[in-house]
Amino acid sequence: EAGVAQSPRYKIIEKRQSVAFWCNPISGHATLYWYQQILGQGPKLLIQFQNNGVVDDSQLPKDRFSAERLKGVDSTLKIQPAKLEDSAVYLCASSFNSGGAYEQYFGPGTRLTVT
Amino acid sequence: GNSVTQMEGPVTLSEEAFLTINCTYTATGYPSLFWYVQYPGEGLQLLLKATKADDKGSNKGFEATYRKETTSFHLEKGSVQVSDSAVYFCALSPRDSGNTPLVFGKGTRLSVIA
Repeated sequence: EAGVAQSPRYKIIEKRQSVAFWCNPISGHATLYWYQQILGQGPKLLIQFQNNGVVDDSQLPKDRFSAERLKGVDSTLKIQPAKLEDSAVYLCASSFNSGGAYEQYFGPGTRLTVT
Repeated sequence: GNSVTQMEGPVTLSEEAFLTINCTYTATGYPSLFWYVQYPGEGLQLLLKATKADDKGSNKGFEATYRKETTSFHLEKGSVQVSDSAVYFCALSPRDSGNTPLVFGKGTRLSVIA
């Protein structure tokens, strides 16, 4: 079974530029998450989708971040304009129910450096 | 609110030593608890889970027991190997059923030396 795919793996941009990340979840997983992992910290949720609808975007900085999940499969996360503090690893995860708990499967992440 | 607290790292052990990484949580209701592992250059992988009090999750020689009375989910392994060197994250899902985002601890880096 193929895992969660993300691209690009690495991205370096200057502040005030824009950037987009792509995620392809595991086939059949209706729920998709984007997390931000700053160096030395645990991942923190940015946005959760159920199929192509947003379930939770309360922690998404909407003045600069946007995300969409067209057709309930692939998703893109965009930052415009980027700030220095956006330097982090952006993780995509998808989940399914296993034995009473929803197990989340993570992609390899996109490491963003803003200079 | 919901939160997870892990012991500070890094932890450095010799091969075959006993490992304990402490994890305590704060949550309303009865969360599900998880340990994830992140090997260098890779994404997070689910290591083990427990969905109710007194459940023991185990995988690859690692185990953790869901202790409701102490709100803890400590990770243990009897004999670590160099290949266990990674960052370990404790996490909770705030409801015991339902598709909710994970709340993570800050992670504990483990280095095992031969």
